[in-house]
Amino acid sequence: AQKITQTQPGMFVQEKEAVTLDCTYDTSDPSYGLFWYKQPSSGEMIFLIYQGSYDQQNATEGRYSLNFQKARKSANLVISASQLGDSAMYFCAGGLEGNQFYFGTGTSLTVIP
Amino acid sequence: DGGITQSPKYLFRKEGQNVTLSCEQNLNHDAMYWYRQDPGQGLRLIYYSQIVNDFQKGDIAEGYSVSREKKESFPLTVTSAQKNPTAFYLCASSMAGRVTDTQYFGPGTRLTVL
Repeated sequence: AQKITQTQPGMFVQEKEAVTLDCTYDTSDPSYGLFWYKQPSSGEMIFLIYQGSYDQQNATEGRYSLNFQKARKSANLVISASQLGDSAMYFCAGGLEGNQFYFGTGTSLTVIP
Repeated sequence: DGGITQSPKYLFRKEGQNVTLSCEQNLNHDAMYWYRQDPGQGLRLIYYSQIVNDFQKGDIAEGYSVSREKKESFPLTVTSAQKNPTAFYLCASSMAGRVTDTQYFGPGTRLTVL
């Protein structure tokens, strides 16, 4: 079974609009971390935002926020006020069990001018 | 500036050759990782190390080998036993390798087998 699931292979968003990228995870451990990374065409993985399983509030970092719904095991990334430079692949990752990271298959985001 | 460097950026290998990919970090992190990424896919873990002179296999370790003689360095050797080595290889590090530690990545090495 997939530990991290991203069900949106591709998404389009109009410039200056907000967009939500979906991510669900699977773990029975009480302690875990959830992460989002951006991968532009250059290939480097850029860390965006982190949410710990015990954090009470949703994480925010500038235009990025993480909509954490523990009961649903979801950790969706919300990008507000999209910019052309946001066009990239986005990966959800989880530090779930056995000190290992698991990555989703990614969502390709295209920002339309 | 603290960070992770990988070299070379592009690497071409003939079939039957072993090649070594370099990964160096100056973040003073204990844990280091190697991932493989194939086109249109996510990352798969090859090997990881949480301490010097110790490392563990990930999901796709066959055909690869690593060493961790120094805290700062975690080279990956792609051996001739790796049947399909053409891929993008990413090295990462984290503070202590805990599930709540952020992994930071290098710029990657693109390996092509001719």
